[in-house]
Amino acid sequence: ETGVTQTPRHLVMGMTNKKSLKCEQHLGHNAMYWYKQSAKKPLELMFVYNFKEQTENNSVPSRFSPECPNSSHLFLHLHTLQPEDSALYLCASSQQGAEDQPQHFGDGTRLSIL
Amino acid sequence: GEDVEQSLFLSVREGDSSVINCTYTDSSSTYLYWYKQEPGAGLQLLTYIFSNMDMKQDQRLTVLLNKKDKHLSLRIADTQTGDSAIYFCAERAPGGGADGLTFGKGTHLIIQP
Repeated sequence: ETGVTQTPRHLVMGMTNKKSLKCEQHLGHNAMYWYKQSAKKPLELMFVYNFKEQTENNSVPSRFSPECPNSSHLFLHLHTLQPEDSALYLCASSQQGAEDQPQHFGDGTRLSIL
Repeated sequence: GEDVEQSLFLSVREGDSSVINCTYTDSSSTYLYWYKQEPGAGLQLLTYIFSNMDMKQDQRLTVLLNKKDKHLSLRIADTQTGDSAIYFCAERAPGGGADGLTFGKGTHLIIQP
């Protein structure tokens, strides 16, 4: 149990579908992150939220739309995805302002685009 | 630019020590991390080291940092079958805000009986 819960664990969707990934952290952190993990590539940072404000968008296509309603919840809304978007999507949280700020990860959502 | 490199595979015998190496390019990195990923799971934080330290030990884990050469290593003593996983090295650049980490591609640790 890492304190960061992601749902669903697995998602299969067509290219025209709309779905959302959910992340919830129970660690009292104030920063949350979305990462993409594809085969044979390093983890790619997608978005950073600090105190509910988006502070980084790492050139992510607009078909990915993040939402952070409060410091405990983070969503990733998906629309008109492409086959190359199939990957493991990982959410993480940390305490911004703490000296070491280690990021704690959820178990991810395995996304497959048909 | 930032780049973190690791060997893709390491094979060791059960009971031996494993040493996983990592090199990074950003000399201003403040913290360096080691994460472990088991099949079907997310990343588990193992340990981390501040850039002004040379070594950190935590039970079977020893982290060595050579800041001059930008080289980080993770030593696992008495390697067990449960240590079989992918190990990621990551760095965090300096900054006052929340920063994403830069990861290597990960090292697959394979344990031979």
